[in-house]
Amino acid sequence: DGGITQSPKYLFRKEGQNVTLSCEQNLNHDAMYWYRQDPGQGLRLIYYSQIVNDFQKGDIAEGYSVSREKKESFPLTVTSAQKNPTAFYLCASSRRRGGQDNTQYFGPGTRLTVL
Amino acid sequence: AQSVTQPDIHITVSEGASLELRCNYSYGATPYLFWYVQSPGQGLQLLLKYFSGDTLVQGIKGFEAEFKRSQSSFNLRKPSVHWSDAAEYFCAVGGYTGNQFYFGTGTSLTVIP
Repeated sequence: DGGITQSPKYLFRKEGQNVTLSCEQNLNHDAMYWYRQDPGQGLRLIYYSQIVNDFQKGDIAEGYSVSREKKESFPLTVTSAQKNPTAFYLCASSRRRGGQDNTQYFGPGTRLTVL
Repeated sequence: AQSVTQPDIHITVSEGASLELRCNYSYGATPYLFWYVQSPGQGLQLLLKYFSGDTLVQGIKGFEAEFKRSQSSFNLRKPSVHWSDAAEYFCAVGGYTGNQFYFGTGTSLTVIP
């Protein structure tokens, strides 16, 4: 089955630690995205990538980093510089970024909690 | 500025009743419009999308939405709600140029027996 997988489902982090959230897609999509979801705030874009080895900051990139070494993978690292990282993180992908192929499909999410 | 407004934070309906969730958008170009549904602790599932053509679009699970350009709206409807429809619903707008999606803050739907 084609789709987007995110792991782990739940992640706990101590203050001062970096953690990496995994996102993999087998849809052969070019574009991938990371969103943060907080209660009552909808989804906010952290980073996006339109092609391998290229990525752009979204609205709330501070304290986060990404890489796109393979088309199917777009891991997100939450660094110690992110002061309030407790949230639900969603990864998405689309065939293209633009045109009618920009429909985004989402993974199941990772809930990150800072202890 | 690009934005999406979902005026209703929370809606409660009885099972079997009709449903309408409101979505208003502000977008500087021709909008592409989407509705997603999210169950607790899950990702977002695409319900339906509008790119062009017929302004009434059909989606999965018996949902439909109507695009009204003059009102900048894209309201989601369902004629008869089922208990399994209880979830969070998000409206989103994007465009042909590939600019990012803009999501509303969501409407939480409760279905009572």
